Amino acid sequence: AQTVTQSQPEMSVQEAETVTLSCTYDTSESNYYLFWYKQPPSRQMILVIRQEAYKQQNATENRFSVNFQKAAKSFSLKISDSQLGDTAMYFCAFMMGNFGNEKLTFGTGTRLTIIP
Amino acid sequence: EPEVTQTPSHQVTQMGQEVILRCVPISNHLYFYWYRQILGQKVEFLVSFYNNEISEKSEIFDDQFSVERPDGSNFTLKIRSTKLEDSAMYFCASGDTTEAFFGQGTRLTVV
Repeated sequence: AQTVTQSQPEMSVQEAETVTLSCTYDTSESNYYLFWYKQPPSRQMILVIRQEAYKQQNATENRFSVNFQKAAKSFSLKISDSQLGDTAMYFCAFMMGNFGNEKLTFGTGTRLTIIP
Repeated sequence: EPEVTQTPSHQVTQMGQEVILRCVPISNHLYFYWYRQILGQKVEFLVSFYNNEISEKSEIFDDQFSVERPDGSNFTLKIRSTKLEDSAMYFCASGDTTEAFFGQGTRLTVV
């Protein structure tokens, strides 16, 4: 079974600074996807960024980027120029195999607070 | 932008009662899911549904739970006899072959 570990329960950073959230996972599969989801106080789950395991290039979405280290099974999220609206729970998630009919396995989350 | 819609946003029910949580997935999606998040805990997979049948279910998804897609648009989760420990946020998600989109969730409170 796949597992996802987020070792930082809480983090805080000053507005406009850069913060990195850590995630490690365990799998014997070679074909999989990794995700970061944001859950603001409204509790909706919002996809932040996605990485396909077969791609060596790290995914980037505006101020959000990942550092994907496949051999180390590490998938960290970097938020640059952090904004107050980035305050939320962040969940790392793993999906096995061909996308479409596979479940997401989530980590326990990191509560990120952006300080004005 | 298309979105997954869940109703109700909050439901309070008495222990032992049946509840039905409703979801309208994105119209051209083929894969549907229910997840659960107990307050303060991680999001847990309940069940996936494809081609009008369950593809996979977790150990949480016991005989008290059922899903169906009765009319080709709605996707429902039924809990037959609710327990206090069923209190949680329930998320519906639908997906194509590239990503999954979550609804805003239904907060279920069992009293």
